[in-house]
Amino acid sequence: GESVGLHLPTLSVQEGDNSIINCAYSNSASDYFIWYKQESGKGPQFIIDIRSNMDKRQGQRVTVLLNKTVKHLSLQIAATQPGDSAVYFCAENNQGGKLIFGQGTELSVKP
Amino acid sequence: DTGVSQDPRHKITKRGQNVTFRCDPISEHNRLYWYRQTLGQGPEFLTYFQNEAQLEKSRLLSDRFSAERPKGSFSTLEIQRTEQGDSAMYLCASIGQGNSPLHFGNGTRLTVT
Repeated sequence: GESVGLHLPTLSVQEGDNSIINCAYSNSASDYFIWYKQESGKGPQFIIDIRSNMDKRQGQRVTVLLNKTVKHLSLQIAATQPGDSAVYFCAENNQGGKLIFGQGTELSVKP
Repeated sequence: DTGVSQDPRHKITKRGQNVTFRCDPISEHNRLYWYRQTLGQGPEFLTYFQNEAQLEKSRLLSDRFSAERPKGSFSTLEIQRTEQGDSAMYLCASIGQGNSPLHFGNGTRLTVT
């Protein structure tokens, strides 16, 4: 979705469907990428990470894909559940271990 | 609870007052980070410590902000002469040796009236 001002990009999916959340990162020298999930009133929670020497990594129900050519990262969630509803952020390790976060995507799962 | 702990969870203060937040990182994590998050945005880096040494500060950290980690364990973030623009969620995170993900606390939500 389009992001204007304080509005986050949003993704609405039906329970049981697969979700794909996309992220463009800025620094071609970044070598470590992380996806975080943030629920309302809580801090970001680690989901999965990937290093730049890989292009795919799988976890439990989640897969991260990294395309360094176009500086693009995606998070795939299989069989999305209502508990997956949250804001999802990608982050890149941009020198010295500090993470630079993207804007975030709000995932809404319809039962 | 062995996660990152932040206190208080919420703080409401009047403009011009000073506030201090505390962060207790995961035990034995030697690096500690402070981030700020405003509504609808991703967390923005403020500063980080390796043990007790403050190694980097963002340009976002004006001279009204100061952070300490005196014994290399817990950290405090103080904001002096608060302004309405300081209203945000202040997040603390910690990380151990090697490359591993940052673990975040649940933040302190500051409202400046």
